[in-house]
Amino acid sequence: AQKITQTQPGMFVQEKEAVTLDCTYDTSDQSYGLFWYKQPSSGEMIFLIYQGSYDEQNATEGRYSLNFQKARKSANLVISASQLGDSAMYFCAMRDPPNSGGSNYKLTFGKGTLLTVNP
Amino acid sequence: NAGVTQTPKFQVLKTGQSMTLQCAQDMNHEYMSWYRQDPGMGLRLIHYSVGAGITDQGEVPNGYNVSRSTTEDFPLRLLSAAPSQTSVYFCASSYGGPGSREQYFGPGTRLTVT
Repeated sequence: AQKITQTQPGMFVQEKEAVTLDCTYDTSDQSYGLFWYKQPSSGEMIFLIYQGSYDEQNATEGRYSLNFQKARKSANLVISASQLGDSAMYFCAMRDPPNSGGSNYKLTFGKGTLLTVNP
Repeated sequence: NAGVTQTPKFQVLKTGQSMTLQCAQDMNHEYMSWYRQDPGMGLRLIHYSVGAGITDQGEVPNGYNVSRSTTEDFPLRLLSAAPSQTSVYFCASSYGGPGSREQYFGPGTRLTVT
């Protein structure tokens, strides 16, 4: 079974500084996908970034980058130049490996990290 | 595109009542799913569907029924609500092909069972 561990229940960062949110995963499969989602206080789930297990380069999306260390089974999210609007809950998630039909859909989520950006 | 829509946004039920949470998407996605979010638990998969007429159970299916008669709609039914089903419910969809890189989430339904 897939498992996602986010060890930081809460993190604080000063505005304009960078912050790293930790995520480790457990899987015996070779093909998987890793996601980060942001959930602001308004409640919606916002997709941030995706990393495939066979992607050779770390994923980047604007101020977000994913520090993917496959051997250590970690997929940490790095937010550069934090903004007040980055204050939110952040979830790491893993997509189940493909089924026999080659499709893979289901996500397993970690418990989240609450990020607070201080002015 | 409206994306993924959910109704209602809020609902209060009494124990034993039944209701249906609605979910619709206009992106022609094959895959749709329901998650529940409880404090400190992250999101957990309830049921999912890989296409019209095909559904399967996720991690926490007890107390919930689903059906998928069209590509667009994936309602979640609570037949006899219990206080343990107090939660925030999210519907999600994706095109579902190999390497699918994103699941689109609806805005959520906050359900309270008293």
